[in-house]
Amino acid sequence: EVQLVESGGGLVQPGGSLRLSCAASGFTLSDNYMDWVRQAPGKGLEWVGRIRKKANSDTTEYAASVKGRFTVSRDDSTNFLYLQMNSLKTEDTAVYYCVRTQLVGATSIAYDLWGQGTMVTVSS
Amino acid sequence: AIQMTQSPSSLSASVGDRVTITCRASQGIRNDLGWYQQKPGKAPKVLIYAASSLQSGVPSRFSGSGSGTDFILTISSLQPEDFATYYCLQDYNYPLTFGQGTKVEIK
Repeated sequence: EVQLVESGGGLVQPGGSLRLSCAASGFTLSDNYMDWVRQAPGKGLEWVGRIRKKANSDTTEYAASVKGRFTVSRDDSTNFLYLQMNSLKTEDTAVYYCVRTQLVGATSIAYDLWGQGTMVTVSS
Repeated sequence: AIQMTQSPSSLSASVGDRVTITCRASQGIRNDLGWYQQKPGKAPKVLIYAASSLQSGVPSRFSGSGSGTDFILTISSLQPEDFATYYCLQDYNYPLTFGQGTKVEIK
């Protein structure tokens, strides 16, 4: 079955760190762009970051709000995606989704596969 | 960052109604726009990509149009399962940005 399953969420104090994992099955992560998207409680969706596929040198992009604090990475041997989150702030509290990014047409994308999400709560 | 402004923020409609949701970008984004549906407690689901292309498996009552700065999502005949929140997403440049969402409620 083609799916994404996130884990690693939980309660962490401000300034702390957490690593989210996303297990992919039924397809190869390194053949795809993969993004992280988050949603604060009762709020809208926010793009967090991206890792491009191996053919594009695994380069990454980040939202300004997390740049320098969050890192997207991938383990090709296990087919896992990660989001390392450091220096966490209360405003990082959200459900975090890993998302497969399908390249469509000449320039566009579609988020065609989502995980179920994992909740991160940053609070003292 | 490109701002995406959706309107309305919410709407009430009846089963069978035609519903339109608009999304305006703060600068031109060609047709690099998608529409997503989210139901409570669930992950979003793609409906439309590249402004007007219907994702496989999505009912044909959903359609998208527009290019440049103004985009429309149309539901031709609202069904009970369509009551949800809808988001647009621009993927023209970084950072990718979502609209604030449009909640479609039962009238």
